[in-house]
Amino acid sequence: TQLLEQSPQFLSIQEGENLTVYCNSSSVFSSLQWYRQEPGEGPVLLVTVVTGGEVKKLKRLTFQFGDARKDSSLHITAAQTGDTGLYLCAGVEEYGNKLVFGAGTILRVKS
Amino acid sequence: DVKVTQSSRYLVKRTGEKVFLECVQDMDHENMFWYRQDPGLGLRLIYFSYDVKMKEKGDIPEGYSVSREKKERFSLILESASTNQTSMYLCASNREYYQPQHFGDGTRLSIL
Repeated sequence: TQLLEQSPQFLSIQEGENLTVYCNSSSVFSSLQWYRQEPGEGPVLLVTVVTGGEVKKLKRLTFQFGDARKDSSLHITAAQTGDTGLYLCAGVEEYGNKLVFGAGTILRVKS
Repeated sequence: DVKVTQSSRYLVKRTGEKVFLECVQDMDHENMFWYRQDPGLGLRLIYFSYDVKMKEKGDIPEGYSVSREKKERFSLILESASTNQTSMYLCASNREYYQPQHFGDGTRLSIL
């Protein structure tokens, strides 16, 4: 099974600050998904990136897939308290049928 | 919208008990999954099923079994619960393996 290293594990910032979460692997993924999970709920899909170098924007969230499809990043501009949660990246194995999850980034945005 | 429903939000059981966790999805998805989620470890796949009566082991199947008698229902069974199986259990489903998964809200299981 391929591994996805996600960093940082924890992030505590003030409202209005910017942040970036990273997801890295030595292996290639055919696509990469980003989820957000709030306490007491299951993960919910934010976005899927498929093409190397692809950039997708979701309001203040910008997702990028690395050119070699081995890494991805999530950038949040002007964080809000509502962005608080656990962010998970998950890659679809290029030669398999499994979804590989990173360990997650716990984001806390303080007012 | 896809709805994945897990039968219990919280469950407390004793060591050695046989425990059943139930999951139902309403979108006719072929694939269903069981994960456990522990702090710092992310989601780890226990078992998945790609069709009725079909199952495949995930990364951590030891101590667990599954049952899929109907397409919409996927059950996780802890044959003899142990304290190291205390965790959050998440069920998910999708139609094709590469598509995003739809998750239930999880069952927080405590084994005493």
